[in-house]
Amino acid sequence: GAVVSQHPSWVICKSGTSVKIECRSLDFQATTMFWYRQFPKQSLMLMATSNEGSKATYEQGVEKDKFLINHASLTLSTLTVTSAHPEDSSFYICSARKPGLAGETQYFGPGTRLLVL
Amino acid sequence: SQQGEEDPQALSIQEGENATMNCSYKTSINNLQWYRQNSGRGLVHLILIRSNEREKHSGRLRVTLDTSKKSSSLLITASRAADTASYFCATGGMDSSYKLIFGSGTRLLVRP
Repeated sequence: GAVVSQHPSWVICKSGTSVKIECRSLDFQATTMFWYRQFPKQSLMLMATSNEGSKATYEQGVEKDKFLINHASLTLSTLTVTSAHPEDSSFYICSARKPGLAGETQYFGPGTRLLVL
Repeated sequence: SQQGEEDPQALSIQEGENATMNCSYKTSINNLQWYRQNSGRGLVHLILIRSNEREKHSGRLRVTLDTSKKSSSLLITASRAADTASYFCATGGMDSSYKLIFGSGTRLLVRP
């Protein structure tokens, strides 16, 4: 199997606070994890690629100081939304890929819904 | 940025009918994948087709790829109400990043 979990599944916070979202691969080691953002009824927008033990690679237009990514182990990547504002409210989804020949497939977490008041 | 577009944006069919969704992309690819997303949930991988393949089957799913036209289609045969979901194509590029760029998606409603 290839199970990816996210925690929390939803979070409501006040404007100005920071929120940490965890992404875990439960039954495999993921050298690469990806973070996406999805607005209602829209597609997934890739935010960054997270590689274990190295700095994340951010997509154009994504503020690295705003969205801090840490990939401290082969099974855990975290996304911290710093000083969150209402416009950061969104559905955040992570995915992980298995190393090896079938590594093109990504396994997705269930997502985290963030609401910033 | 999004790689391409999918059409239709929304599709409503009767249970038992076939559903066809199309995906177009812009750059050279290594592979193209189709994913399914139930409302408010994560994505589930359906099928992957490589750039040197033209057609692939998996159960009730049939995927075609035309690299000359930079397009792909997903056919779901004998649809069921449980197939109601959003379907996204995603392209894997020629580099070694394994990044996927997602299309705009098709929302499929299968009426019982």
